[in-house]
Amino acid sequence: GAGVSQSPSNKVTEKGKDVELRCDPISGHTALYWYRQSLGQGLEFLIYFQGNSAPDKSGLPSDRFSAERTGGSVSTLTIQRTQQEDSAVYLCASSFGWGLPTEQFFGPGTRLTVL
Amino acid sequence: TQLLEQSPQFLSIQEGENLTVYCNSSSVFSSLQWYRQEPGEGPVLLVTVVTGGEVKKLKRLTFQFGDARKDSSLHITAAQPGDTGLYLCAGTNFGNEKLTFGTGTRLTIIP
Repeated sequence: GAGVSQSPSNKVTEKGKDVELRCDPISGHTALYWYRQSLGQGLEFLIYFQGNSAPDKSGLPSDRFSAERTGGSVSTLTIQRTQQEDSAVYLCASSFGWGLPTEQFFGPGTRLTVL
Repeated sequence: TQLLEQSPQFLSIQEGENLTVYCNSSSVFSSLQWYRQEPGEGPVLLVTVVTGGEVKKLKRLTFQFGDARKDSSLHITAAQPGDTGLYLCAGTNFGNEKLTFGTGTRLTIIP
């Protein structure tokens, strides 16, 4: 079956612009996660969805970052007024959401470059 | 904040040699997972260890969870070029779905 897909694969934007990153999880997976991977910070958690609700937003670095999930499926991560420090690979993962610890399946990521 | 430190950060060895990667924390985790990531792809789960002192083997890879559940190790026997990649440990805690990733070990196996 299809894995987690993310789009776009690469995004180059200018400082101050808004960007939207999309994640299509594996069908049937109720849990969805966003992570960010950068050279300086490693791989860090951003936000977690169970269905359409986000019980854990603790990793969002500022109020410029937001995410939503609709229909218990597709999720969009939005970064407003992008800054150069937002440059990173944004990874999405999904899981069945039960059985601790869960196995998370990762997409290939979106590489964001802010000029 | 729970942190996971991996060592070494970089490792380059000849094919056929053995190696060990360490993942250490001052905090207790309910479980530890190991992932491997290749360029342009997301991390892929290799193993999950849950019980303190647990040892799991996956072909030439041996994973161990420390007795106190604060550390873990990955040992590779007779490394092959296909083992090249970024190895990440990740800790989880009951009641908390997020993964706390380690700092990563970039492994290169030279043919």
